[in-house]
Amino acid sequence: EPEVTQTPSHQVTQMGQEVILRCVPISNHLYFYWYRQILGQKVEFLVSFYNNEISEKSEIFDDQFSVERPDGSNFTLKIRSTKLEDSAMYFCASSDGLKRISSYEQYFGPGTRLTVT
Amino acid sequence: GEDVEQSLFLSVREGDSSVINCTYTDSSSTYLYWYKQEPGAGLQLLTYIFSNMDMKQDQRLTVLLNKKDKHLSLRIADTQTGDSAIYFCAEKGGSQGNLIFGKGTKLSVKP
Repeated sequence: EPEVTQTPSHQVTQMGQEVILRCVPISNHLYFYWYRQILGQKVEFLVSFYNNEISEKSEIFDDQFSVERPDGSNFTLKIRSTKLEDSAMYFCASSDGLKRISSYEQYFGPGTRLTVT
Repeated sequence: GEDVEQSLFLSVREGDSSVINCTYTDSSSTYLYWYKQEPGAGLQLLTYIFSNMDMKQDQRLTVLLNKKDKHLSLRIADTQTGDSAIYFCAEKGGSQGNLIFGKGTKLSVKP
């Protein structure tokens, strides 16, 4: 069964450093998402991406964040200058976005745990 | 704004039924979802319900939707130890279908 994959599973970085989290969505999917979950808190939406551009973003997704689909398979989240409060589990998700009964059914990757020290 | 609330913990005995409850605020939500997260794993879509339905059954899972009270529940019949996980309720928000999650209910199943 096709699945969303994410690398690395755990990333430790120092405050102020740039990190890139990588995701490979399911191959025929068209919509891509990043979410994050700070320990003990809710899973929060960050950004959605369709047709090579951001379609929606939350207040959390400020100028330090960016997303890219550098080739036909990868979808990346870049955090330019990490802060301690960026420590969280980051989930990538994808959906085919077709107009059918299970519209926007999102499939999630296993997550990348980011620890900022 | 949109919000989804769940109780944080539920403990049941193996073989009993589990009922996980959720309330949401956005009355225009068209889809409501239940996701399961096992330790160290991602979020797995368990089931969903469309807002014009009251109930959906899928094997051991029954989803009940009370749209008037904005209340969603997930019933797991004959709960097994393998059902131990965190269960997230989510509603579809935004125009591109981004999900709004609750904090998750940690289900512990005792043998």
